Amino acid sequence: QKEVEQDPGPLSVPEGAIVSLNCTYSNSAFQYFMWYRQYSRKGPELLMYTYSSGNKEDGRFTAQVDKSSKYISLFIRDSQPSDSATYLCAMTPSGSARQLTFGSGTQLTVLP
Amino acid sequence: ETGVTQSPTHLIKTRGQQVTLRCSSQSGHNTVSWYQQALGQGPQFIFQYYREEENGRGNFPPRFSGLQFPNYSSELNVNALELDDSALYLCASSLLDTVSTDTQYFGPGTRLTVL
Repeated sequence: QKEVEQDPGPLSVPEGAIVSLNCTYSNSAFQYFMWYRQYSRKGPELLMYTYSSGNKEDGRFTAQVDKSSKYISLFIRDSQPSDSATYLCAMTPSGSARQLTFGSGTQLTVLP
Repeated sequence: ETGVTQSPTHLIKTRGQQVTLRCSSQSGHNTVSWYQQALGQGPQFIFQYYREEENGRGNFPPRFSGLQFPNYSSELNVNALELDDSALYLCASSLLDTVSTDTQYFGPGTRLTVL
């Protein structure tokens, strides 16, 4: 069993929809949680970064962490065609500059 | 501010050969991590270099080795290439110190194909 599980999709939604992306994990030592966005043939870029449990909002993006359930989510409001990409969750026990453990990624397409 | 750059962009090698991939870290960063991303998968941690010393290693065999130079740029070397080594190799730089931990910023990757 992988340490981080992520539904690979693909997920296809109409423009303006609310998108929910999720990851579950098994290692209770994970304290730092990140969401990266990766466009085709590009490196991942950091979208959201949270420490421990709770919510964090940045514009159209909201990240949620529930450590008791070992479950993290990313919500995208008013989705745009430019949001079409692969979304990767990542986590680490000891600071975001350390070794990251990634999920397998969810491929999202937002249809105009 | 200059971002993370990697070279070459693409590379084709045959099984058994050796390859060297290069990474220039973002200005002000002292740490470089390397990841392997197979098609349809998330990146897997290979190792990290901090101030020219290896600072953690993932589950990769010794034929994967690296270097970090005084200017914090880095090389990834892979010996005795196998077909399964075909992947996107990502370099990420960050600032690691005792006061704060920075996030990792990724380069565009080098796509390696082993035939």
